[in-house]
Amino acid sequence: DIQMTQSPSSLSASVGDRVTITCRASQSISNFLTWYQQKPGKAPKLLIYSASSLQSGVPSRFSGSGSGTDFTLTISSLQPEDYATYYCQQSYRTPRTFGQGTKLEIK
Amino acid sequence: EVQLVESGGGLVKPGGSLRLSCAASGFTFSSYSMSWVRQAPGKGLEWVSSISSSVNYIYDADSVKGRFTISRDNAKNSLYLQMNSLRAEDTAVYYCARDRGHYDSSGYFSGRYFFEYWGQGTLVTVSS
Repeated sequence: DIQMTQSPSSLSASVGDRVTITCRASQSISNFLTWYQQKPGKAPKLLIYSASSLQSGVPSRFSGSGSGTDFTLTISSLQPEDYATYYCQQSYRTPRTFGQGTKLEIK
Repeated sequence: EVQLVESGGGLVKPGGSLRLSCAASGFTFSSYSMSWVRQAPGKGLEWVSSISSSVNYIYDADSVKGRFTISRDNAKNSLYLQMNSLRAEDTAVYYCARDRGHYDSSGYFSGRYFFEYWGQGTLVTVSS
């Protein structure tokens, strides 16, 4: 199975900060990388697909980049509603696997 | 508006069975591959099983292979997960998700999918 490793596992940041979350795959996955946001008690929500394509309706402060094994999710200016847990997920090989999550908390 | 509504969760004893359902609306259900993803309490996300639009392909995680069976009824716009021989480690919120295909820059379908829409989830608790 392809292992997905996110860093950091948790992060404290202030409103207005620029935040970057990293996801590393255990082997090359081309650009078959997706990012999700999950708030407590809610279902995950699609943010970014194909490593850098923004899902319709998602604010433009979210962006994704990377290819191969190394990927990043960037929030350009953190808003109060962005405090959540973020997951990356690869679709290159079955089983589709997720990173362990990055919990973004208020500083 | 795409809606996915799971049902069927509950408390079951180890070794027992449960059948989850997912009612889909707001899109042409028969045109989409569908999946189940679960999340144990306080843990991360784990893909469980996927089924193609016309039931040509079914994929299961090793952790549930031989115990869980995914199925669908396109006439009823419904997805199912039959769970047998349940274990304590199967305790989780189970989400139904609609798949979307990855396309390359030339517009060709890659054969890979990601989870575009999610239901609200249904909790399955396996405990004696």
